[in-house]
Amino acid sequence: TQLLEQSPQFLSIQEGENLTVYCNSSSVFSSLQWYRQEPGEGPVLLVTVVTGGEVKKLKRLTFQFGDARKDSSLHITAAQPGDTGLYLCAGLPGSNYKLTFGKGTLLTVNP
Amino acid sequence: GAGVSQSPSNKVTEKGKDVELRCDPISGHTALYWYRQSLGQGLEFLIYFQGNSAPDKSGLPSDRFSAERTGGSVSTLTIQRTQQEDSAVYLCASSYRQGASYPYFGPGTRLTVT
Repeated sequence: TQLLEQSPQFLSIQEGENLTVYCNSSSVFSSLQWYRQEPGEGPVLLVTVVTGGEVKKLKRLTFQFGDARKDSSLHITAAQPGDTGLYLCAGLPGSNYKLTFGKGTLLTVNP
Repeated sequence: GAGVSQSPSNKVTEKGKDVELRCDPISGHTALYWYRQSLGQGLEFLIYFQGNSAPDKSGLPSDRFSAERTGGSVSTLTIQRTQQEDSAVYLCASSYRQGASYPYFGPGTRLTVT
């Protein structure tokens, strides 16, 4: 079983602060996705990273895939209350269709 | 709407009753997934349908769980003789096809077994 460990599990910060969320595994994934989930909603895909060392930016969000494709990070610059939500990483092993999810990081950005 | 829809949004049932959860995938999506999200846990894979292929049922936790997909579109997840540990949010997702795109999730059905 391929596991994804996310840290921290909970994060409460003030508006304007920066933060980083980590997603680590001992297994290699062919791709890794980051989702954001709000209460009462399903996860919404933010980004997919495929190549080891890849960095993708989505406005104030920066996503990085580790060189060995075993880990990833999400960095948010100047967090805003609208960034509040559950951030989930999910990995796709090889050509398998079963996404393996981490337990998520619950982010609260206080105004 | 263009997204994945699920019904009901909330379901409260008594222990031992059967429940049916429905999923309407995005039109044209041939792949359909069911996941379960329990409090404090990540999403747990339950079952996968792809076109006319036999479904991958390897994630179903017990034989009380079953799912079907009629006409390659709507899917129903059935839980028989519900137990309190079945309480969770059941999420359905669909994608255009395996390996070509990533799944889009519905809002989920929150199941509470009392």
